[in-house]
Amino acid sequence: QSVLTQPPSVSGAPGQRVTISCTGSSSNIGAGYDVHWYQQLPGTAPKLLIYGNNNRPSGVPDRISGSKSGTSASLAITGLQAEDEADYYCQSYDSSLSGSDVVFGGGTKLTVL
Amino acid sequence: QVQLQESGPGLVKPSETLSLTCTVSGYSSDYYWGWIRQPPGKGLEWIGNLYHSGTYYNPSLKSRVTISVDVSQNQFFLEVRSVTAADTAVYYCANWNMGAYNFDFWGPGTLVTVSS
Repeated sequence: QSVLTQPPSVSGAPGQRVTISCTGSSSNIGAGYDVHWYQQLPGTAPKLLIYGNNNRPSGVPDRISGSKSGTSASLAITGLQAEDEADYYCQSYDSSLSGSDVVFGGGTKLTVL
Repeated sequence: QVQLQESGPGLVKPSETLSLTCTVSGYSSDYYWGWIRQPPGKGLEWIGNLYHSGTYYNPSLKSRVTISVDVSQNQFFLEVRSVTAADTAVYYCANWNMGAYNFDFWGPGTLVTVSS
């Protein structure tokens, strides 16, 4: 069971807007740690999509955005395209008794209908 | 841009030690490193990070894992001891952004199967 909770799957038709949620707690997202998002296309390594809650690395289109509020974060993709079909993971930091650990969400499979 | 490449045996016997190497190019001495794994059909699991100040591990793996570095060879390493079938996964190395607390660039990954 992942520390960060994501829906297992979301779907949308081409051109539509979809959002993927990432729910944490007071020891991670709620503690002020940033949330980052990765896109994993089938058979490939994850790629950084959003860092620091809402920043896009060079080359990521502006139809992809991120936000964070309280103990949750969201990834939004507008103008959905077939190439967006992939798995998406959120990542943050968690303060536990053992120290500060990197934590991932369980991943969300985005299907473009 | 940083480039990373994992290498090592694709098959390890149960109870033995899994050893992987990550070779890095295009980096500076200010970079930090990490290992992540992904069991077949499952999500990402953080294994540990290597900083200038030391190494930090996932508490669930800490007793069996060691991450080390050879700066002269531009390589860092992962050892997982006493492996079982549950350690079968694609193993990724990545560079850790100490300012933003995220992984910037990832290697392509290498599949390690634990089986007799």
